[in-house]
Amino acid sequence: DVKVTQSSRYLVKRTGEKVFLECVQDMDHENMFWYRQDPGLGLRLIYFSYDVKMKEKGDIPEGYSVSREKKERFSLILESASTNQTSMYLCASSLMWGRHTEAFFGQGTRLTVV
Amino acid sequence: GQQLNQSPQSMFIQEGEDVSMNCTSSSIFNTWLWYKQDPGEGPVLLIALYKAGELTSNGRLTAQFGITRKDSFLNISASIPSDVGIYFCAGPGSARQLTFGSGTQLTVLP
Repeated sequence: DVKVTQSSRYLVKRTGEKVFLECVQDMDHENMFWYRQDPGLGLRLIYFSYDVKMKEKGDIPEGYSVSREKKERFSLILESASTNQTSMYLCASSLMWGRHTEAFFGQGTRLTVV
Repeated sequence: GQQLNQSPQSMFIQEGEDVSMNCTSSSIFNTWLWYKQDPGEGPVLLIALYKAGELTSNGRLTAQFGITRKDSFLNISASIPSDVGIYFCAGPGSARQLTFGSGTQLTVLP
């Protein structure tokens, strides 16, 4: 089974802190994604990566950056956390784009910025 | 970009009832995916559809890939309490991304 693991289930951080959210997948997938999920707004794509050291902006990249130094690991960085970044963060991975484009998700990280 | 309209937004049903939800797209898809998200968890893939007209089952769940390739349906038969959650449709968008519907919140009443 595909496994996508996020480093924390719950995080509480202070405004202005630098926050790292880590995600690891064990299926050698090329693509990795970071989403945030807020009530009434669905899943919104922050960044994605289709190869090591490659990254593409999603729909809401402002206030975030990412790092992909190894194929299995994709990190989301909040450079200076703000209260409007309180949210559920979801990491996902998928095979190279083609016929089978299923994405598999981690368990989510509930981040609260105070 | 591509948009997915998912309906209904929420459903309250009695245990044992059947459920139906659907998604429509503004453009043609070559894959339709259905996910379920339990409260506080990440979405889990339920069914993947790859061919127009395809009908696929997974236990009490049945999903269909519409003939026009612009819609898909998910049916749940004989609902049980653990069916509670948010159901999402998704399809391949542009630039290697998945496009997601806004979700259907399902509540099953005893």
